[in-house]
Amino acid sequence: DGGITQSPKYLFRKEGQNVTLSCEQNLNHDAMYWYRQDPGQGLRLIYYSQIVNDFQKGDIAEGYSVSREKKESFPLTVTSAQKNPTAFYLCASGPGQGLGYTFGSGTRLTVV
Amino acid sequence: AQSVTQPDIHITVSEGASLELRCNYSYGATPYLFWYVQSPGQGLQLLLKYFSGDTLVQGIKGFEAEFKRSQSSFNLRKPSVHWSDAAEYFCAVAPRGSARQLTFGSGTQLTVLP
Repeated sequence: DGGITQSPKYLFRKEGQNVTLSCEQNLNHDAMYWYRQDPGQGLRLIYYSQIVNDFQKGDIAEGYSVSREKKESFPLTVTSAQKNPTAFYLCASGPGQGLGYTFGSGTRLTVV
Repeated sequence: AQSVTQPDIHITVSEGASLELRCNYSYGATPYLFWYVQSPGQGLQLLLKYFSGDTLVQGIKGFEAEFKRSQSSFNLRKPSVHWSDAAEYFCAVAPRGSARQLTFGSGTQLTVLP
């Protein structure tokens, strides 16, 4: 079955460490997205990519980095520069042109 | 600026009662419109979407939504709520023809009483 896989489901990080969240899709979608979700704030866009080897900053890109070396994969790195990284992170993919997304099941990151 | 507003943070209904969740948007032109549902600790699932045509859209799980251009609204409805409908609901919009991203409302948490 086609879908999006995010791993791990839960992740713990010490302050000052970088950590990478995985997102893989087998839907043959061109576009991929990373959102951050905090209670009461809805979803905020971190980065998005419309094509391999290209990506754009979203509304809250500071302290995050991404790569898009393969169509299927769009990993997100939360760097030590992100001041408040504890959150629920959602990856999504879509055919582009604003036609809607398919979401992964999310990764909950906690800084300890 | 583009925006999506869900005025109700939390709604409580009894099982079997009808439901309406409100969504208003502010855009230069009619965008693509979506409703998603999220169960605790899970990703978002698409309930329905509106691109053009009939302004009453049918979705999964017995949900429907009506697009009203004059009111810039896209309210979600269900005639009879089930306990399994308890979740958080998000309205989202995207500019037509744009691959940038969806803009999400802040969500409405639905509680269903037995």
